[in-house]
Amino acid sequence: QVQLVESGGGLVKPGGSLRLSCAASGFTFSDYYMSWIRQAPGKGLEWVSYISSRGNTIYYADSVKGRFTISRDNAKNSLFLQMNSLRAEDTAVYYCARRAYDILTGYPTPPDSWGQGTLVTVSS
Amino acid sequence: SYELTQPPSVSVSPGQTARITCSGDALPKKYAYWYQQKSGQAPVLVISEDNKRPSGIPERFSGSSSGTMATLTITGAQVEDEGDYYCYSTDSSDNHTGVFGGGTKLTVL
Repeated sequence: QVQLVESGGGLVKPGGSLRLSCAASGFTFSDYYMSWIRQAPGKGLEWVSYISSRGNTIYYADSVKGRFTISRDNAKNSLFLQMNSLRAEDTAVYYCARRAYDILTGYPTPPDSWGQGTLVTVSS
Repeated sequence: SYELTQPPSVSVSPGQTARITCSGDALPKKYAYWYQQKSGQAPVLVISEDNKRPSGIPERFSGSSSGTMATLTITGAQVEDEGDYYCYSTDSSDNHTGVFGGGTKLTVL
């Protein structure tokens, strides 16, 4: 079965950095878009970033552009999110989520499988 | 930017029908998707492409869409259906990213 396991979260001071990882199993990782979606405490879901199967299409939310970098290693079935210049408002649970590619439309589908998330807390 | 609007909360008694709505200007041309998120857990896709139920989702969950409004219906809601529900769809000008609705807290008691 599809399994997505995030790691790397923790407590970091404002201005600091963290690198999140997502280990995927149970499907052909290189066939899928992968994404990071976050949820601040008591709030809704927010796109952070996503990356196409080969890494040639990348999206960042305006709120993280220039500070976060998404990457993937298809040989190791892994997704990453390098987060720099962290701010208090980046405090959230960060979910790794899979997106299929719809051959008919040429676009990725909505996330269909999610990991359990990793908590990032930015505080002094 | 494109927005999907959901009511903040819906409350029903066990066995009743719960309806959660999602409104968006592009919904006449775009599919709606629905996620369920129970407390402390990751979201789970319960309805795709307006009305399709992924494998393993109980039959009491159904979806529909008409005009600028999509609706998630839970027929015979159970206590274990409590949680937050998010709709998702895409804008007519951006098929890649999509947006999440603000979420609706469903209480079954």
